[in-house]
Amino acid sequence: GQNIDQPTEMTATEGAIVQINCTYQTSGFNGLFWYQQHAGEAPTFLSYNVLDGLEEKGRFSSFLSRSKGYSYLLLKELQMKDSASYLCAVRGIGGYNKLIFGAGTRLAVHP
Amino acid sequence: DAGVTQSPTHLIKTRGQQVTLRCSPKSGHDTVSWYQQALGQGPQFIFQYYEEEERQRGNFPDRFSGHQFPNYSSELNVNALLLGDSALYLCASSVDSYGYTFGSGTRLTVV
Repeated sequence: GQNIDQPTEMTATEGAIVQINCTYQTSGFNGLFWYQQHAGEAPTFLSYNVLDGLEEKGRFSSFLSRSKGYSYLLLKELQMKDSASYLCAVRGIGGYNKLIFGAGTRLAVHP
Repeated sequence: DAGVTQSPTHLIKTRGQQVTLRCSPKSGHDTVSWYQQALGQGPQFIFQYYEEEERQRGNFPDRFSGHQFPNYSSELNVNALLLGDSALYLCASSVDSYGYTFGSGTRLTVV
């Protein structure tokens, strides 16, 4: 089976740091993606991990542990505009590499 | 460089009707994947088109069908609409199965 789990909702304060976790069980693994999605809009690409370790891109960092089936997205210096849903997606092997998404984590940033 | 374009942006249909949604991929992309995103959920994979052929399909009934044209644009058709088909329909284009870019989606409401 294929399963991707994320917390449903999180809240944080402007200027703080928040970590959004994602655990996955999939038949094969060929990369993990994080997308940001504001209500009613398209998902926009944030990060991609295929090897273990931390990938840093400005205020956003993403970590992957393939042996544990675990990833997290770290958002620093939170801004009000970071209030959105954050989607974890895994690309499988074979089957033409379709993306399998988690249900998403709704992040609310408060002043 | 235009991104992924979807039309229409919003649509209201009656139960039992048929609907066609359209997607123009990002320039240089040859693969189109369709996703259904119910409110508060992550996108669910419907199918993927490459070289005008459906090459992978998710767990959706035959009421959902599609087509890809020689210019790589694609259509999603849904027959015999049900209330449960109400969702945001996202199109993602890619080069083969890499570099996914999402469109803003079509919001379908079935009444």
